[in-house]
Amino acid sequence: EPEVTQTPSHQVTQMGQEVILRCVPISNHLYFYWYRQILGQKVEFLVSFYNNEISEKSEIFDDQFSVERPDGSNFTLKIRSTKLEDSAMYFCASSVYGYGYTFGSGTRLTVV
Amino acid sequence: QQQVKQSPQSLIVQKGGISIINCAYENTAFDYFPWYQQFPGKGPALLIAIRPDVSEKKEGRFTISFNKSAKQFSLHIMDSQPGDSATYFCAASTQGSSNTGKLIFGQGTTLQVKP
Repeated sequence: EPEVTQTPSHQVTQMGQEVILRCVPISNHLYFYWYRQILGQKVEFLVSFYNNEISEKSEIFDDQFSVERPDGSNFTLKIRSTKLEDSAMYFCASSVYGYGYTFGSGTRLTVV
Repeated sequence: QQQVKQSPQSLIVQKGGISIINCAYENTAFDYFPWYQQFPGKGPALLIAIRPDVSEKKEGRFTISFNKSAKQFSLHIMDSQPGDSATYFCAASTQGSSNTGKLIFGQGTTLQVKP
C-alpha cells in the first residue's frame, strides 16, 4: 500500500535554529497538508497546499513557517527560528481529492 | 464553532465488548466525518468515514452512527479486541470545490481493551 514518507523521524534542535521537515507524499496525490500534535493533545491543522500554492493556513502557521514543493515529489515544512513551544509531532498528509487522506508516521521535533 | 468535542477521554473495555466513542460538532457546514486510529509513534490512519446523507455506516466491526439533527456522531467497535487498543480521533471537514479538506480533530479517546 502506498505510504507518505517523512524524514527525519526525530529531530532535536536548538531554540532559534531553522529546521526543515521533509515529506514524500503519495505520487498521484494532489492535496498536501501539515498537521502537528503536541504530546497528549489533539492533532491540529497547520497548512494545506494545492496546485503549487497554499490553499489554507491556520493561526499557528505564522511568518516563521513556510512550505515548499521544490521538485514535484518532496513537500517540506520549514520553521525559521524555532521556539520551545514548537516541540511536537509534525505529520504530513496527502490526498487525491481533499478527503480520505493518508498521514505519514511523523517527525518528532524537540526544541531545546 | 469550528470545534469538534469528543468523549470520553479514555475508555477501558473487556475483550469482546462494545466500545463507544462520541463526538459533537456545531458547524452545520461540516459534511465529511472521518474516524482515525492512531497507535503510539505512528500517524493517524483512516478507519471509517461518513457523510451526513446517511445515518449509519458499517465496515467490519466498526460502525459510525450519525445524528444530523443533534449534530452528533459516534464510533462503535463491536467485539473489541486487544489489538484495537489505540487512540481514536473523530474529525470533521467541509468538502466542495472551494474547500481545502482541512480536518478539525476531536481531542482523542485512548481505548484500552483488556484480554
